[in-house]
Amino acid sequence: DAGITQSPRYKITETGRQVTLMCHQTWSHSYMFWYRQDLGHGLRLIYYSAAADITDKGEVPDGYVVSRSKTENFPLTLESATRSQTSVYFCASKSGGADTQYFGPGTRLTVL
Amino acid sequence: QKEVEQNSGPLSVPEGAIASLNCTYSDRGSQSFFWYRQYSGKSPELIMSIYSNGDKEDGRFTAQLNKASQYVSLLIRDSQPSDSATYLCAVNPSNSGTYKYIFGTGTRLKVLA
Repeated sequence: DAGITQSPRYKITETGRQVTLMCHQTWSHSYMFWYRQDLGHGLRLIYYSAAADITDKGEVPDGYVVSRSKTENFPLTLESATRSQTSVYFCASKSGGADTQYFGPGTRLTVL
Repeated sequence: QKEVEQNSGPLSVPEGAIASLNCTYSDRGSQSFFWYRQYSGKSPELIMSIYSNGDKEDGRFTAQLNKASQYVSLLIRDSQPSDSATYLCAVNPSNSGTYKYIFGTGTRLKVLA
């Protein structure tokens, strides 16, 4: 199906483990984004990518790693998960000529 | 630190009334402004974008922008219970040269039937 998908939708992990959240879009949008959403903080940009192999830090990049080898995929890795990374993570994408971001369904991550 | 401020609410309005949601931003040079709606447990969806001072209408929604006062607002006319959601204001700061949007924490709207 066309659109933007995230997997897994729910994840529980332990402190110190590596976790990768996947994001896939079928629109061939050049831009992709990762946000986290926490009570009291709203949506905060973690990383974004303007094209394959081009990534840049957002507001809260520490503890996260991204890559973008293919236009359609933008995985987010927590190299050593911490409890403070418990959050809902949203991936989004947009085309180069437009401002509208389309959000994925989100991944709820719990770090114990 | 560039900021986008919203009253967290909840803002309660009766069905059929006008709901007024406000947002202020700190970066005076910001050029792009957006309102997203987010239902509980769901992802945000764009409902309005505005780039110039003044009003922009789309159906029951009107976005208002005042760059001199650094605020953007969203009016929802004839509010319906289905409008009950959290409304997020987002700004693309002027100096990002990119799309590093900054979101407010959102205002929760409750439309009472």
